[in-house]
Parts: sequence; C-alpha cells; structure tokens
Amino acid sequence: SQQGEEDPQALSIQEGENATMNCSYKTSINNLQWYRQNSGRGLVHLILIRSNEREKHSGRLRVTLDTSKKSSSLLITASRAADTASYFCATDMYSGGGADGLTFGKGTHLIIQP
Amino acid sequence: GAGVSQTPSNKVTEKGKYVELRCDPISGHTALYWYRQSLGQGPEFLIYFQGTGAADDSGLPNDRFFAVRPEGSVSTLKIQRTERGDSAVYLCASSLKGGVYTGELFFGEGSRLTVL
Repeated sequence: SQQGEEDPQALSIQEGENATMNCSYKTSINNLQWYRQNSGRGLVHLILIRSNEREKHSGRLRVTLDTSKKSSSLLITASRAADTASYFCATDMYSGGGADGLTFGKGTHLIIQP
Repeated sequence: GAGVSQTPSNKVTEKGKYVELRCDPISGHTALYWYRQSLGQGPEFLIYFQGTGAADDSGLPNDRFFAVRPEGSVSTLKIQRTERGDSAVYLCASSLKGGVYTGELFFGEGSRLTVL
C-alpha cells in the first residue's frame, strides 16, 4: 500500500514559473522526504524534513510540513527545462520499534515547457 | 563504485523461469532496500536489510520472492516461477544506517524485468 498521495498527478508549466506539488499522508511520521526521478532512471533524493520542522529550503526548493494536516508541499522556484521529471514524497513511518524504510506516493509528473 | 550498482539493467524472461537480480550498494552502507516500481506508480517496498539480516520482508508479495545479503554488502533478489505480473522495474537503494529513523536513500538505476 502507498502511504503518501501527491497532488496533482501531472503538472505542466512554463519555464521560469514556480511549481508547487502537494503530498498527503495517513499515519504519524518521523520524517518526510522528496525524491526526483527522471524518465527511466533511479530516484534522487532532494530534501528531508523532520516531523518537528515546518519549513526547509535547499537552493530553489522549498518544502513545508504540516503534521496536523498530515501534508507537505514542495515548491520549485524559477523552474527550468531540466526540472522535468516525476517527483515523489516518501514518509518514514513511526513504527515504534525501528525504521522499515520509506513509503512512496504515486508521484507528480512535472513538465516544464521551454 | 561511487553509487549503487544494479545488474542486469534489463532482463527478459519467459513465464515460469527463475530470475536473479543483483544489487551492489555504496561501500559502508549497512541498510539496503529493494523496491518494485510499475509504470506510472511510485516505488513499492519489498524488503529491508540491516547488515546481513532481513529486518523487514513484509513487502514481498509471495513466497516466490526471496532476497539474500550473505556478507552484508551485495544483495540478490530471487524470483521463482516468474509470472507476467512480475514485470516491473526493481529498484535497490542503500543508506548509511537504518535504525529508528530512515535517512536519505541512494538508489540504483534499477533492473527492468519483462516476463513474456
């Protein structure tokens, strides 16, 4: 089963615009991570935000986390053609006894139009 | 190597055959994960190793799937009596440590399995 659900499933914007993707999850978490996947490639880690953090920045990326709403958003500013990819949120579920890996959503497919 | 290496990159097999997929993690990474990804879907957890032992194999779909990591480094995912529904990209990932929190995972490029 998949814990996270990204929204929208697909997003197409013009180069230079900002892209916002959302993720909702169901159970308590230790942390939430965002990954990018270019077509036919493996996933690449973008950013990790812990359950006690509300916002985090990394370059053109901004991630927010609202644990009361069980949701997160990923903002990519000043988008570039190279940002075209699928973006996944992944949650590290609090299991009480140890980590069992990450649970991924279905992803948002982002297309940046030149 | 510098990253997670998976072989083969592509495997085409016939229904009913046995398949092995190999993962060579980043040196020093004690945690190793196998995921399966179908077209248009996110990665689906299969199994997690901490060192040599399978700490969580709850994602393996049935007893046709088995994975080993005998020396705590390279791992092999084994699929017996393959079915067409097993067709997917099998992703391996490693991280510095598992434990209470799961940190950043480093993924390989995946092994694309096609069962005819």
